[in-house]
Amino acid sequence: AQTVTQSQPEMSVQEAETVTLSCTYDTSESDYYLFWYKQPPSRQMILVIRQEAYKQQNATENRFSVNFQKAAKSFSLKISDSQLGDAAMYFCAYRSINKLTFGKGITLSVRP
Amino acid sequence: KAGVTQTPRYLIKTRGQQVTLSCSPISGHRSVSWYQQTPGQGLQFLFEYFSETQRNKGNFPGRFSGRQFSNSRSEMNVSTLELGDSALYLCASSYLTGKDEKLFFGSGTQLSVL
Repeated sequence: AQTVTQSQPEMSVQEAETVTLSCTYDTSESDYYLFWYKQPPSRQMILVIRQEAYKQQNATENRFSVNFQKAAKSFSLKISDSQLGDAAMYFCAYRSINKLTFGKGITLSVRP
Repeated sequence: KAGVTQTPRYLIKTRGQQVTLSCSPISGHRSVSWYQQTPGQGLQFLFEYFSETQRNKGNFPGRFSGRQFSNSRSEMNVSTLELGDSALYLCASSYLTGKDEKLFFGSGTQLSVL
């Protein structure tokens, strides 16, 4: 079974600084996707970024980028130029053909 | 384009009762999946429907069931409620089903079982 581990329950970052959220996963599959979702207090999960396992190039979406290390089964999210609106819970997720597996999430706070 | 709509937003039930939650996907989306979110267990996959057929199912007891209608709207039912069923139930929709599909989530239904 696939597992997704987010070992840090909370992190804090100063506004305008950079923060990296870590995620590791375990799978025996070779074809899958990885995602980072953001859940603000409104509770609605929002897709931040996704990465296809077959692509070596790390995905980037504006201030958000990932460091995907397939051999190490690591998928970290880097947020550059942190903004107050980035404060939320962030979930790492793994998706194969059968289901979507989430990590436990990390609460990110942004200090003004 | 309207987003994913879940109703009701909040629900309070007592043990032993049953409950039905509703999810209306984004127009044109044919896949709906359901998730349970609790502080202890995090987010767990319940099931996925595509074109009125259940495609995948998570590890939940048979008390949890769902269905999808021809207009892609989906309902989730929990029978014989237990205290541990208290959770935020999220649904998500996508155009197709597949590992690369972008999921669009609703704001969830917060269920409290007393």
